Amino acid sequence: NAGVMQNPRHLVRRRGQEARLRCSPVKGHSHVYWYRQLPEEGLKFMVYLQKENIIDESGMPKERFSAEFPKEGPSILRIQQVVRGDSAAYFCASSLSASGDYEQYFGPGTRLTVT
Amino acid sequence: KQEVTQIPAALSVPEGENLVLNCSFTDSAIYNLQWFRQDPGKGLTSLLLIQSSQREQTSGRLNASLDKSSGRSTLYIAASQPGDSATYLCAVRSYGGATNKLIFGTGTLLAVQP
Repeated sequence: NAGVMQNPRHLVRRRGQEARLRCSPVKGHSHVYWYRQLPEEGLKFMVYLQKENIIDESGMPKERFSAEFPKEGPSILRIQQVVRGDSAAYFCASSLSASGDYEQYFGPGTRLTVT
Repeated sequence: KQEVTQIPAALSVPEGENLVLNCSFTDSAIYNLQWFRQDPGKGLTSLLLIQSSQREQTSGRLNASLDKSSGRSTLYIAASQPGDSATYLCAVRSYGGATNKLIFGTGTLLAVQP
């Protein structure tokens, strides 16, 4: 069974470019969470999506960031006009159910570097 | 608002020593608490998941306890090895409406000296 897949694993973008991070959840999981780990900081929740719906985006910066989880294909976290402060590790997790006692399974992360 | 704190921030021990990592949280309304390991530049490896109704979980040399009423969890590592060197993160899953997101502590950086 494949776990959560994220690609690319490493992404380098120049300031002002767009970054697209992809997450394929565990097969059969329809709940996806994105977390961000800034240098020297802990992981912080960004957004929770269920197929085709954004359920909670309370942790997303108000501008330049968007997320989607289409009916077919991976979840995408999109960062427009990246700035140096966006450099971080972005982790995706998936779960079988939104219920709190179901475990979230994490992917290996995408490390974004903005030059 | 749930806050998770881990003490100490860093720990260095000689090989073979038993050690305890601490995690505290401010709101006892949680579904579960999870301990993760993160190696430098790598992803998260789930170590132990304790449901709110449980007191402890064990896996090999690892034992995690949960005292929900006092808002504390400990991760006990027996007979530490250099390969245990990593950052250890705890995270709680609080009652939070539709999200039930994980809230992470900032981690304990463990170095086991050979």
